[in-house]
Amino acid sequence: AQSVAQPEDQVNVAEGNPLTVKCTYSVSGNPYLFWYVQYPNRGLQFLLKYITGDNLVKGSYGFEAEFNKSQTSFHLKKPSALVSDSALYFCAVGFDNLFFGTGTRLTVIP
Amino acid sequence: DAGITQSPRHKVTETGTPVTLRCHQTENHRYMYWYRQDPGHGLRLIHYSYGVKDTDKGEVSDGYSVSRSKTEDFLLTLESATSSQTSVYFCAISEDRGQLDTQYFGPGTRLTVL
Repeated sequence: AQSVAQPEDQVNVAEGNPLTVKCTYSVSGNPYLFWYVQYPNRGLQFLLKYITGDNLVKGSYGFEAEFNKSQTSFHLKKPSALVSDSALYFCAVGFDNLFFGTGTRLTVIP
Repeated sequence: DAGITQSPRHKVTETGTPVTLRCHQTENHRYMYWYRQDPGHGLRLIHYSYGVKDTDKGEVSDGYSVSRSKTEDFLLTLESATSSQTSVYFCAISEDRGQLDTQYFGPGTRLTVL
């Protein structure tokens, strides 16, 4: 069965520091991997996706994600956090239908 | 929100009443999806459509039905609403399905069933 886990419900980071939001998955084969962000009272917005190729994927707003096949992980990263990055982040994995993680709330502290 | 509107944006209803949520897109995308978002569960797929009159069930389809009579409109119906269907409902669209193309989401509908 496919599953995706975001082990941290909440991540706090100081403005200017690097941030990491973790995602691990359990699925057979080579899935497609996504990160979405949700700002308050808004729908989800696409950040980036991995299908194949380079393990480091660059996305919107300076975010990037690193695919690690041996660890079945797809962690979201940003070198320098902004207060405006504070939001709810969802990892998603699948072949056809997407299965979403439960979300990680990122708070960037000024 | 990528040419996607949802109506109504908020609704309060009583147990046992029928409810229909509407998703309208102006992108002419083939695929449309309905999700529900609940704390601790993330987003879960209810139903999706891959063309006019072509629909299929998702992960949590019990108690829900859908219809798509035009490319631009995808309706979600709760035949007899229950308190467990209190949730935020999101519509999404994509040119292709899931992995090949990104999904774009509407602003959501907050439904409360009393």
